[in-house]
Amino acid sequence: NAGVMQNPRHLVRRRGQEARLRCSPMKGHSHVYWYRQLPEEGLKFMVYLQKENIIDESGMPKERFSAEFPKEGPSILRIQQVVRGDSAAYFCASSLGTRSYNEQFFGPGTRLTVL
Amino acid sequence: GENVEQHPSTLSVQEGDSAVIKCTYSDSASNYFPWYKQELGKGPQLIIDIRSNVGEKKDQRIAVTLNKTAKHFSLHITETQPEDSAVYFCAATLPLNDYKLSFGAGTTVTVRA
Repeated sequence: NAGVMQNPRHLVRRRGQEARLRCSPMKGHSHVYWYRQLPEEGLKFMVYLQKENIIDESGMPKERFSAEFPKEGPSILRIQQVVRGDSAAYFCASSLGTRSYNEQFFGPGTRLTVL
Repeated sequence: GENVEQHPSTLSVQEGDSAVIKCTYSDSASNYFPWYKQELGKGPQLIIDIRSNVGEKKDQRIAVTLNKTAKHFSLHITETQPEDSAVYFCAATLPLNDYKLSFGAGTTVTVRA
């Protein structure tokens, strides 16, 4: 059973470009979470999605950031018009259910660098 | 929301010695406290967790203790080995939305051979 997959692993963008980060959850998992890790900091919750639904986006910046988890295909975190402050590691996690006893399994992350 | 503080930020121990990492949380309603290990270039991996109705939990060389009154919890690693070198994160969740992990800033543990 493959784990959570994220691609690309490394992404370089110039200021003003768009970044698209992909996450394929573990097989059978329908709950996906995105976290951002800034240098020297812990992971910060961004958004929780189920298939075709955004359940909680309280950690997402109000502008430029969006996320989706379509019926078919991976979850996508999209950052428009990137700025240097968006440089971070973005981790996706998936779980079988939503309660705390349903472990969140993390992917290897996408490291975004904005030049 | 929940605020989790973690200390120390770096920890160097001699192989075979013990390592202790401490975390405090702000919201007394928090009821679930997992610990994650992150190796270089990888995502965090759950290593042990504890719920608010338990004071201590042990799994081989790893143990976690919880003091609800003081709102702090600790990770103890005994007989450390080089493969224990990694970044360790504590986290906490609130009952209302217990999918939302609030992480500490992390502790970089280095085990010297």
